[in-house]
Amino acid sequence: DTAVSQTPKYLVTQMGNDKSIKCEQNLGHDTMYWYKQDSKKFLKIMFSYNNKELIINETVPNRFSPKSPDKAHLNLHINSLELGDSAVYFCASSQLGAAGTEAFFGQGTRLTVV
Amino acid sequence: AQKVTQAQTEISVVEKEDVTLDCVYETRDTTYYLFWYKQPPSGELVFLIRRNSFDEQNEISGRYSWNFQKSTSSFNFTITASQVVDSAVYFCALSFRDDKIIFGKGTRLHILP
Repeated sequence: DTAVSQTPKYLVTQMGNDKSIKCEQNLGHDTMYWYKQDSKKFLKIMFSYNNKELIINETVPNRFSPKSPDKAHLNLHINSLELGDSAVYFCASSQLGAAGTEAFFGQGTRLTVV
Repeated sequence: AQKVTQAQTEISVVEKEDVTLDCVYETRDTTYYLFWYKQPPSGELVFLIRRNSFDEQNEISGRYSWNFQKSTSSFNFTITASQVVDSAVYFCALSFRDDKIIFGKGTRLHILP
């Protein structure tokens, strides 16, 4: 069973389009995250949600809108895609209340904007 | 400032050699957590180890060992008798009470056959 799963794995789209990436975790964790990994492999947190509530928003453009329908899901919607949005996006989860518990990552979604 | 520095961008060693990946962190918090993750060529992020700031004991797991030294704010990772399958990007990371994990820029390790 996959602990953190994201779909799709690959996404190629044109500038200006709107796209979504879905994430689900079956670990029962309270906290979920979105990270962006750029072409130089630098991993940066974008958002963190705890029990469906936003707790971290790292100055991400408001074209990016996370949505958490329940604590097992955290989807990422991106409006008006730009070339600079091309990256690998990772979803992750961890257990809040046991701060420092490792985050489990999905396999990543490689987004290419052309 | 809270920061993780992995000064080694890329390292190449011949198989069976030992290799140490350096990690230096900065934080004002007294309670924090340190991690290492591995990202093989397939792209997934694999958790390797977690250490909390109150536990400076070194750890060994098979060919992997970690050296945590608060005095130098370092959390170094050593692979003994390296193998080609160890080739990957390795990330050191730091987290706090708010659960935000801050990653270093990674060290790309090449193990040459």
